[in-house]
Amino acid sequence: DGGITQSPKYLFRKEGQNVTLSCEQNLNHDAMYWYRQDPGQGLRLIYYSQIVNDFQKGDIAEGYSVSREKKESFPLTVTSAQKNPTAFYLCASSIGAPPYNEQFFGPGTRLTVL
Amino acid sequence: EDQVTQSPEALRLQEGESSSLNCSYTVSGLRGLFWYRQDPGKGPEFLFTLYSAGEEKEKERLKATLTKKESFLHITAPKPEDSATYLCAVQSGGYNKLIFGAGTRLAVHP
Repeated sequence: DGGITQSPKYLFRKEGQNVTLSCEQNLNHDAMYWYRQDPGQGLRLIYYSQIVNDFQKGDIAEGYSVSREKKESFPLTVTSAQKNPTAFYLCASSIGAPPYNEQFFGPGTRLTVL
Repeated sequence: EDQVTQSPEALRLQEGESSSLNCSYTVSGLRGLFWYRQDPGKGPEFLFTLYSAGEEKEKERLKATLTKKESFLHITAPKPEDSATYLCAVQSGGYNKLIFGAGTRLAVHP
């Protein structure tokens, strides 16, 4: 089955630690995205990548880092510089070329800072 | 600044009671408007894309419509399994960035 997988489903972090969230897709999509979801707010874009070895900051990139070494993978690192990292993190992908602009989402990772 | 506002924040319906959810937007050059369904603790599930005013799309009990300022998601004769949060997003500009509304939480009771 084609789709997007995220791991782990739940992640607990102590203050001062960096953690990495995994996102893998087998849809052969060029573009991949990371969003953060907080209660009562819309999804907010952290980083996106339209092609391998290239990525851009979204609206709330401070305290996060990404890499895109393979088409299928787009890991997100939440660094100790992120002041309030507790949230639900969603990875998405899209074909990347108009008019096929739909983004498809993974199941999410819930990160809690202890 | 591009903005998306969804209303109401929450909606409670009886099974079979039809209603509509609203998504108002202000963008500089709409490239697409997207509706998603999200169940608690899960990722959003894609429902529809609308590209131009006057366009309509249907899927089972759901129908999405688009004007120059807003989109409606009409739910006809809803069932309890339609209970979820419905998210609206718009795309503008030169890349695939989506701007999301905060969503409408729909609860359908038997």
